[in-house]
Amino acid sequence: NAGVMQNPRHLVRRRGQEARLRCSPMKGHSHVYWYRQLPEEGLKFMVYLQKENIIDESGMPKERFSAEFPKEGPSILRIQQVVRGDSAAYFCASFLRGAPLDNEQFFGPGTRLTVL
Amino acid sequence: DQQVKQNSPSLSVQEGRISILNCDYTNSMFDYFLWYKKYPAEGPTFLISISSIKDKNEDGRFTVFLNKSAKHLSLHIVPSQPGDSAVYFCAAPDAGGTSYGKLTFGQGTILTVHP
Repeated sequence: NAGVMQNPRHLVRRRGQEARLRCSPMKGHSHVYWYRQLPEEGLKFMVYLQKENIIDESGMPKERFSAEFPKEGPSILRIQQVVRGDSAAYFCASFLRGAPLDNEQFFGPGTRLTVL
Repeated sequence: DQQVKQNSPSLSVQEGRISILNCDYTNSMFDYFLWYKKYPAEGPTFLISISSIKDKNEDGRFTVFLNKSAKHLSLHIVPSQPGDSAVYFCAAPDAGGTSYGKLTFGQGTILTVHP
């Protein structure tokens, strides 16, 4: 059973470019969370999605950031017109609500975004 | 507002000794807590959890203690091994509403276990 997959693992962008980060949840999981870890900090919640629905985007900056989780394919976190402050590790986690360890989220390896 | 705090950025321990990692929280609505372990260039992996109806949960070398009145939890690793060297995060999920499972993380503690 493959774990949560994220790609790319490393992404370098220049200021003003767009960054697209992909997350494929564990098989059978229909809930995805995105978290961001800035240097020297803990992970901070960004957005919670179910298939085709954004459930909670309270942690996502209002501008330049968007997320989707289509019926088919991976979840995408999109950052438009990146700035240096967007440099961070972005993790997604998938979650099977109702599982025995109901609160356990399985994390992907992360995408490290560097903005030059 | 940091609702989950790990005030020790780092901890260094000798192999075979006990490691104690601490975590404090401010939100009294939290009723479940998790510890995650993270190696460099990897995502966090679940280690152990505890429900607020318990004050202790044990899994092999790992034990988590919860003191609700003090809003404090700790992770004990006995005996510590060099492979335990990693960053440890405590986290608490929202319990309900639309943010079910959304985790609030502490800042993390870097544990180094010396041979």
